[in-house]
Amino acid sequence: GQNIDQPTEMTATEGAIVQINCTYQTSGFNGLFWYQQHAGEAPTFLSYNVLDGLEEKGRFSSFLSRSKGYSYLLLKELQMKDSASYLCAVVDSNYQLIWGAGTKLIIKP
Amino acid sequence: ETGVTQTPRHLVMGMTNKKSLKCEQHLGHNAMYWYKQSAKKPLELMFVYNFKEQTENNSVPSRFSPECPNSSHLFLHLHTLQPEDSALYLCASSPALGQPNYGYTFGSGTRLTVV
Repeated sequence: GQNIDQPTEMTATEGAIVQINCTYQTSGFNGLFWYQQHAGEAPTFLSYNVLDGLEEKGRFSSFLSRSKGYSYLLLKELQMKDSASYLCAVVDSNYQLIWGAGTKLIIKP
Repeated sequence: ETGVTQTPRHLVMGMTNKKSLKCEQHLGHNAMYWYKQSAKKPLELMFVYNFKEQTENNSVPSRFSPECPNSSHLFLHLHTLQPEDSALYLCASSPALGQPNYGYTFGSGTRLTVV
């Protein structure tokens, strides 16, 4: 079967750095997404990786290793507004999105 | 505001009621989706429409009935629901199927409670 694993919950301190990991086992691979979802709001697009390596976008970076079935989202200079759930999703060989259960990130002052 | 609007934001219904959820997008997208989001579970794809035609029904019970009158509007008709159907129902759109790099745009969802 297809599976996406990410930690259920993480806690970090304002101003610090946090890395949210995502491992996947899917039938084929056509890219990996990270979305951010604040409580009661729509998931919003953060990044899309299809090639190996690190992509940086401001305070957020996303890394992909296709050979290891592994990605991480790196958040720097954490702000209170970064408290949210972070969803990892892989596009499989049928161009279907396979979703992880999300990681709830709690930022403490 | 994401460009995908869902109404109502909250809905409480009895098990014998009939209600409908509405989704509207003005992004010019051709594919629309219904997802169910339950606490601590992955998003569950329910239905997919491409150019108004249903392309996927992921073994969803018949008490959920989708309707897509045009590429901008999507409905989910609900009847005789069960308490376990209580969840956040998300609508999403994308430019087209088979082009994943553009990503999905989500609405804020309808929080449904079945009593």
